[in-house]
Amino acid sequence: DIQMTQSPSSLSASVGARVTITCRAGQSISTYLNWYQQQPGKAPKLLIYAASSLQSGVPSRFSGSGSGTHFTLTITGLQPEDSATYHCQQSFDTPHTFGQGTKLEIK
Amino acid sequence: EVQLVQSGAEVRKPGESLKISCKGSGYNFAKNWIGWVRQMPGKGLEWMGIIYPGDSDTRNSPSFQGQVTMSVDKSINTAYLQWSSLTASDTATYYCARHRDLGVQRSFDVWGQGTIVTVSS
Repeated sequence: DIQMTQSPSSLSASVGARVTITCRAGQSISTYLNWYQQQPGKAPKLLIYAASSLQSGVPSRFSGSGSGTHFTLTITGLQPEDSATYHCQQSFDTPHTFGQGTKLEIK
Repeated sequence: EVQLVQSGAEVRKPGESLKISCKGSGYNFAKNWIGWVRQMPGKGLEWMGIIYPGDSDTRNSPSFQGQVTMSVDKSINTAYLQWSSLTASDTATYYCARHRDLGVQRSFDVWGQGTIVTVSS
């Protein structure tokens, strides 16, 4: 299985701030990397696919970048509704493993 | 509207069997893979496997192989996840999701609301 490691595990930031979450793969996965947002008590929601493509309907303050083994999710201009856990997932090879999640708190 | 609707919460005793469901609507169910994801209480997401409704082809995670069975009934646009003998460690929320496989776009783009399974004596 390909191991996915996210950092940090949690972070806190103010409304309007810019935050970056990192995801590292245990081997090269090209750009087969997805990001999901999971608000408390809800199902995950696809934000970014193929490392940098914004899913339809997702606000443009979310962006993704990276390739190979190092990826980032950036949120520019944090909003209160961005309080959630963010998960990365590789889809290069089955099983399509997830990272352990990053919990974002809005101050 | 593309939608996946899962069956309701279940409570079972250890050793009992269970089958939960996921019904798709608003798209060609038979031509899109359906996946299952486990989330144990307070934990992250775990990819269990995917199944292609058109021919029931499956891709299972080794971590779940032999522990659960995925199946589909494409005539009623419904996917299933079943256990023959539950244990307490099966207590979790289980999500189904549509797996899109379009070249480099390979992701779960639509999710069900989740089914909470509680196994307790």
